[in-house]
Amino acid sequence: AQTVTQSQPEMSVQEAETVTLSCTYDTSESDYYLFWYKQPPSRQMILVIRQEAYKQQNATENRFSVNFQKAAKSFSLKISDSQLGDAAMYFCAYRSKNYGGSQGNLIFGKGTKLSVKP
Amino acid sequence: DAGVTQSPTHLIKTRGQHVTLRCSPISGHKSVSWYQQVLGQGPQFIFQYYEKEERGRGNFPDRFSARQFPNYSSELNVNALLLGDSALYLCASSDPGVTYEQYFGPGTRLTVT
Repeated sequence: AQTVTQSQPEMSVQEAETVTLSCTYDTSESDYYLFWYKQPPSRQMILVIRQEAYKQQNATENRFSVNFQKAAKSFSLKISDSQLGDAAMYFCAYRSKNYGGSQGNLIFGKGTKLSVKP
Repeated sequence: DAGVTQSPTHLIKTRGQHVTLRCSPISGHKSVSWYQQVLGQGPQFIFQYYEKEERGRGNFPDRFSARQFPNYSSELNVNALLLGDSALYLCASSDPGVTYEQYFGPGTRLTVT
C-alpha cells in the first residue's frame, strides 16, 4: 500500500522569504500523480500544484514550485516570496494512475502547518 | 462556474443517531469521492462513485454508506454514530475522462456528542 509522510508538523517563514515543505512517499508503482493541497482555516482544500511521475520536469505554478526526486521518492514544495495569505495547512497527496477501486483516490500525508510572519 | 457544494455546513448529532451529508459536484463531473478528515490529520478516503456506481471503498465500517443520483449529486450516510465519527467530511468531484485532478467542496463539520 502507498504511504505519504510529511515530517514537518509546523513551519514558519518571514513574509517575502522562501520556504520549503518536505514530503516523501512510498510506492511500488512506476507511474502516478503527486499533489500539494492548501487548506486555510476556511477548510476549503485548494489544489496548489500537480506533478505527473513520468514527467522529468518539475512543475511550477507562479510562486510555487516542486522538487520531484523520483528515485528518492521525494516531492518537496517551495514557496517563494511568501505572503500572509499563504498561511495554511499544506497536504501532500499521492494518486495511483490505476483508476478504480480505492487506488484511484488520494492518499494524504498528515500535513504541515505553515505560519507567515509579517 | 459553481464549484463543489456541500450541505449542511455544520451539524451536531448525538451518539447512536443517523446523519446524511449531501454533495453536488462541479457541473459536468461524473465522479464524486468522500473523505473523512479528523482534526489534526490528513483526509482519509471513504467512498468513490462514478456514473452512479460504487467504484471504490476505503477502510470504513458498514455503518458508512453512500449513493449517487442521476444528476451526479451524492449522499453520504452514517448510522449509529460514534464519538469518533466527529470530523470534517469532504466531498471531491472529478471528471475521470478528462482530468486526474479532484476538486474539493468546503466540507461538512460533524460533531457527535
